[in-house]
Amino acid sequence: EVQLVESGGDLVQPGGSLRLSCGASGFTFRNYSMNWVRQAPGKGLEWVSYISINSGTIYYADSVKGRFTISRDNAKNSLYLQMNSLRAEDTAVFYCARASGSSSRNAFDIWGQGTMVTVSS
Amino acid sequence: QSALTQPASVSGSPGQSITISCTGTSSDVGGYNYVSWYQQHPDKAPKLMIYDVTNRPSGVSNRFSGSKSGNTASLTISGLQAEDEADYYCSSYTSSSTRWVFGGGTKLTVL
Repeated sequence: EVQLVESGGDLVQPGGSLRLSCGASGFTFRNYSMNWVRQAPGKGLEWVSYISINSGTIYYADSVKGRFTISRDNAKNSLYLQMNSLRAEDTAVFYCARASGSSSRNAFDIWGQGTMVTVSS
Repeated sequence: QSALTQPASVSGSPGQSITISCTGTSSDVGGYNYVSWYQQHPDKAPKLMIYDVTNRPSGVSNRFSGSKSGNTASLTISGLQAEDEADYYCSSYTSSSTRWVFGGGTKLTVL
């Protein structure tokens, strides 16, 4: 079964850091680009970041640029999101989402169940 | 405010057809054939329903179809069923530094 499983969500204070992980199974992880997408409570979806198959191309939403870092380990079938200088407005469910191919223009065809990040004092 | 504009809600009776619109600009919806649609049931992850404007992933019912005219994309659901009741989001690749933009979502109610 093709599956993505996120972990690492937690309650963190403003200004703090958190590292999210996403484990992939059931497909050849190294052949697909990956994304992080988030959803604030009761709100819509917001694309956060993209990483290509070999980590050579990385994009970020303006709202997280300079604070978040996406990475991947193809040997471990894992995707990561290092989040620093967290703000209250970063509170959201974070989903990892597979791109349907190796391009940044591919739609998000497989989603994890999400992990909740709460930024509050 | 979302980059793409969708109606907040639509409704229809079982068996009817509904259409959800998604309006953007020439920098996103109008400029690329990379519009996708996602279905999200409460407390569930989104599910890809349409990609590249008109294509359905394997396993998605042919009651779902997509189209585009100018800067507006549309999702049509025919033969409405109770299980179609969900939130629907459009998304488009964009030439801006934010590579992907989403609509604000449309809540579909099956009466």
